[in-house]
Order: sequence, then C-alpha cells, then structure tokens
Amino acid sequence: EAQLLESGGGLVQPGGSLRLSCAASGFIFSNYAMIWVRQAPGKGLEWVSAIRESGSGTYYADSVKGRFTISRDNYENTLFLEMNSLRVEDTAVYYCAQKLPADWYFHLWGRGTLVTVSS
Amino acid sequence: IVMTQSPDTLSVSPGERATLSCRASQSVNSDLAWYQQKPGQVPRLLIYGASTRATGVPARFTGSGSGTEFTLTISSLQSEDFAVYYCQRYNKWPLVFGGGTKVEIK
Repeated sequence: EAQLLESGGGLVQPGGSLRLSCAASGFIFSNYAMIWVRQAPGKGLEWVSAIRESGSGTYYADSVKGRFTISRDNYENTLFLEMNSLRVEDTAVYYCAQKLPADWYFHLWGRGTLVTVSS
Repeated sequence: IVMTQSPDTLSVSPGERATLSCRASQSVNSDLAWYQQKPGQVPRLLIYGASTRATGVPARFTGSGSGTEFTLTISSLQSEDFAVYYCQRYNKWPLVFGGGTKVEIK
C-alpha cells in the first residue's frame, strides 16, 4: 500500500528554521513528482512547493520563495522541506502529496505535520 | 490567477442536490481538480480534468465547466458528503487552490 509519512514539525521561534521530511513507501518514489501543501488552523489549502521526479525542477509559492527549499533523496525515498526565516504566518499543518502521472493533481497525501511559529 | 469559490457555506438537506462554483480569474482550460476534506482528514481527490472522476469516487459527484467557470454537483447528498470542497487549478505555476466551500447539514 502506498503511503506518505511526514515528520519534523514542532514549535519554533520567529526567524528560526525547521526541516520537514516525508517518507514514502509502497511505490517507486523516483517515478513521481511531489509537492508540499500547507493548511493554517481553520483555513484552506495553500500550495507551498513542488519538485519533479529527478529533483531537477523545483517550484515555490511567492510566500515562501527564498526562505524554503524543497529537495528529495530518491535512494532513501524521502522528500524534504527546509524552512528558514520562519514567520508566524507559516504556522500550519504541512502535507506532502504525490503527483499523479498525467498532471499536477494529487491522489496520495500524508497525514501532515504541524509547524507552529511563535515566541 | 485567483480561484474564487462560492458560496462560502452551503446548507443542504440530505438527499438534496448541492451545486458548488469555482471561478478562475483567467482561463485554466480544463486543468481543474476538486478535493473533499472532512474534519481531521486529509484532502481526497474527487475530480480532475474538470470532469473526470477519480478512482472510487461515486457517480453522484459530477464536475463540469472549462475556461473560467466550473461547477461541482453532488446529485443527492449523503451524510458522508458533508465536508469542505476545494478546487485547484494546475494549468501553470503557481498551483492555486480556491478558498473552499463548506457543505453543511441544513
């Protein structure tokens, strides 16, 4: 069974850093592009970043560009999100999701990891 | 591109039809997906390509539209359909989700 499992969330002060991981299992990870999506408490979904299968192409929302870095390790079947210069408004549950082969919509999602930015 | 969903909240009785709208500020062709999210759960893909049901999605869910105007219709609401629904466009970067429509029990 294909699964995604996020980890690395927690409480961090404004200006701090955090690294999220998304462990993939049950499918050939290197064959799929991946994304991060976040959801602030009680709010809607916001796309954060995306990465192509080989890691050669990466994309970012304007709200995180220059502060967040997406990467992947296709040998360890893991997706990462390095988050720097964190702001209070980055507080959210962060989900990783698998892109379906045809286009950029998403069928497989992880359970999410909560990031809280607060002093 | 901004994706605007309406209404914010839709109150519907079980068995009734629900019609949700998603409007794009520029054409997204048919590159539009719909997701359902229940409290405490992750989003579930319902529709892609504006009108194609994802695997396992019941036939009571129908997506329609193209360009800038899209509709998700739930023909006869079941108890498990009360949730928040999001549209998402994927024709170009950045990917954008709509603000969501909450379907609640009337």
